[in-house]
Amino acid sequence: NAGVTQTPKFQVLKTGQSMTLQCAQDMNHEYMSWYRQDPGMGLRLIHYSVGAGITDQGEVPNGYNVSRSTTEDFPLRLLSAAPSQTSVYFCATSPGRAPFVETQYFGPGTRLLVL
Amino acid sequence: AQSVTQLDSQVPVFEEAPVELRCNYSSSVSVYLFWYVQYPNQGLQLLLKYLSGSTLVESINGFEAEFNKSQTSFHLRKPSVHISDTAEYFCAVSHTGFQKLVFGTGTRLLVSP
Repeated sequence: NAGVTQTPKFQVLKTGQSMTLQCAQDMNHEYMSWYRQDPGMGLRLIHYSVGAGITDQGEVPNGYNVSRSTTEDFPLRLLSAAPSQTSVYFCATSPGRAPFVETQYFGPGTRLLVL
Repeated sequence: AQSVTQLDSQVPVFEEAPVELRCNYSSSVSVYLFWYVQYPNQGLQLLLKYLSGSTLVESINGFEAEFNKSQTSFHLRKPSVHISDTAEYFCAVSHTGFQKLVFGTGTRLLVSP
């Protein structure tokens, strides 16, 4: 049972390049989400999903796309990277069943540098 | 809308001293409250949570937090810290019945010998 895995661990991009950050979980959790962590700003929610085929925007969705074709995977796509997207990205999951609020389990993070 | 305020960005403390990390929230509805800890170069881990019932909640490693509805606070305390408690601590809030978390900006706890 690997829990929540994220790949890659580190990535350097040039402005304008695109890439996909991968998040996978083997806990059969319904709820998955992406956060970015920036110094002095805590964690901010980018996108989330309450189940396969359902996604919604969080606090800072601009410049990012997501899809949820399976329960296990929730990739985050940067369409045209910008220096402002330099950050540490965390994927988090939770079971998603009533009473709907449970512990969220975080992946180890992806450090992204956009030059 | 919900928000979380952690007034102290950094708290230096000597080993075996007590510590309090402050967290205040604002919300017009009932909330669930959480403290997460992030050790260097790692993801976040749940430290403790308040959902309902007793307003004092405890973690397995000696931390405790008290939900104070009148003061809209959820401060984290430990009577005697260890070097290994050095980490960043995040307070978070969610509406009851929803899973989206709103995080504070974090407090870095620095424990020195």
